[in-house]
Amino acid sequence: LAKTTQPISMDSYEGQEVNITCSHNNIATNDYITWYQQFPSQGPRFIIQGYKTKVTNEVASLFIPADRKSSTLSLPRVSLSDTAVYYCLATSGGYNKLIFGAGTRLAVHP
Amino acid sequence: KAGVTQTPRYLIKTRGQQVTLSCSPISGHRSVSWYQQTPGQGLQFLFEYFSETQRNKGNFPGRFSGRQFSNSRSEMNVSTLELGDSALYLCASSPGLGDTGELFFGEGSRLTVL
Repeated sequence: LAKTTQPISMDSYEGQEVNITCSHNNIATNDYITWYQQFPSQGPRFIIQGYKTKVTNEVASLFIPADRKSSTLSLPRVSLSDTAVYYCLATSGGYNKLIFGAGTRLAVHP
Repeated sequence: KAGVTQTPRYLIKTRGQQVTLSCSPISGHRSVSWYQQTPGQGLQFLFEYFSETQRNKGNFPGRFSGRQFSNSRSEMNVSTLELGDSALYLCASSPGLGDTGELFFGEGSRLTVL
């Protein structure tokens, strides 16, 4: 599975849009880009997944350019409750051995 | 639909003891995987089970073992506990074959080894 690289930490303020970029230069053809959110002492929670172009759900958007070497998770109008660690992963179908990196620790300030 | 349930939520053991953790997946999910999370190593994959068979295994010593029952419930066991085994142990479930990495995690079992 491809290694992903993302910023260690980010700070934002309530109401702002937050974009977290993830690099995955060696992503395989059958890999998806999957993002998880984790609060302290809880299990990670699936946020969004995409293969290419743009995916949007009620929580976030995911932008993946044509070369698929990077992706951007976009969180619109963050609130204090969005303070968490966000993980970017490359995942393959039928294969649930997820490789988590250090993630991005997002702090949302009032 | 009930989520993934892990028991116990918290437990304290001493070095040399063994521990068994339990995981009940979401109803209908047949794949269960286990992860260990520590401040130093982050989230690390332990093993995955599907239809009572281990499909994948992470890079952990043989002291870590698991099994899955016919109702998809899973247990993991750690024998001869060491201080470094103190961690949050997370179980995750998914429907099964053809999954693309969307796992549903439980809240974890926090193990402290003294």
